[in-house]
Amino acid sequence: QKEVEQDPGPLSVPEGAIVSLNCTYSNSAFQYFMWYRQYSRKGPELLMYTYSSGNKEDGRFTAQVDKSSKYISLFIRDSQPSDSATYLCAMIHPILTQGGSEKLVFGKGTKLTVNP
Amino acid sequence: DTGVSQDPRHKITKRGQNVTFRCDPISEHNRLYWYRQTLGQGPEFLTYFQNEAQLEKSRLLSDRFSAERPKGSFSTLEIQRTEQGDSAMYLCASSSPGRTYNEQFFGPGTRLTVL
Repeated sequence: QKEVEQDPGPLSVPEGAIVSLNCTYSNSAFQYFMWYRQYSRKGPELLMYTYSSGNKEDGRFTAQVDKSSKYISLFIRDSQPSDSATYLCAMIHPILTQGGSEKLVFGKGTKLTVNP
Repeated sequence: DTGVSQDPRHKITKRGQNVTFRCDPISEHNRLYWYRQTLGQGPEFLTYFQNEAQLEKSRLLSDRFSAERPKGSFSTLEIQRTEQGDSAMYLCASSSPGRTYNEQFFGPGTRLTVL
């Protein structure tokens, strides 16, 4: 079992739809939860991060973490064609990494297409 | 441009050749990471530097791989005797301590194709 599971999709929605992206994880030591966006042939860029459980909102984006279920979500409201990209969840377990690396553990990514 | 830069952006090589990639992190960042991303997968951690010290290496980093960060600034990743399975995007990221969490900034990546 991989530490982080993410449905790779692809996911195709019409412009204006609400998009829900999800990841599950197995290691309860994870403390920081991130969502990265990656456009084709580019490096990932950080969208949002959340510490521990709870919700965080930033414009059209909302991140949720449920540590009791080991489940995280990213919601995109009023989706736009410019949101078309691969969305990667990532996590850190800062205490358990060697040398304090705080390396990121990524899901596979979900490829999203928003159609005009 | 003050972001993370990587060179080259693309590299095509024949099996058995050696290749070297370079990463220039954001100037004040003392932490540097290398990740590898294959098609349809998320990035996987390869190695981590704090200043010039290589503090962690993944099991993915076989003996054919070596990374350096000689003066705590730029880093190089060398692959010797390349194999077709080495074909991937190699991503570099950097970060700075003293923040609430470790936000890693990624470069554009070097895409390696081994023929």
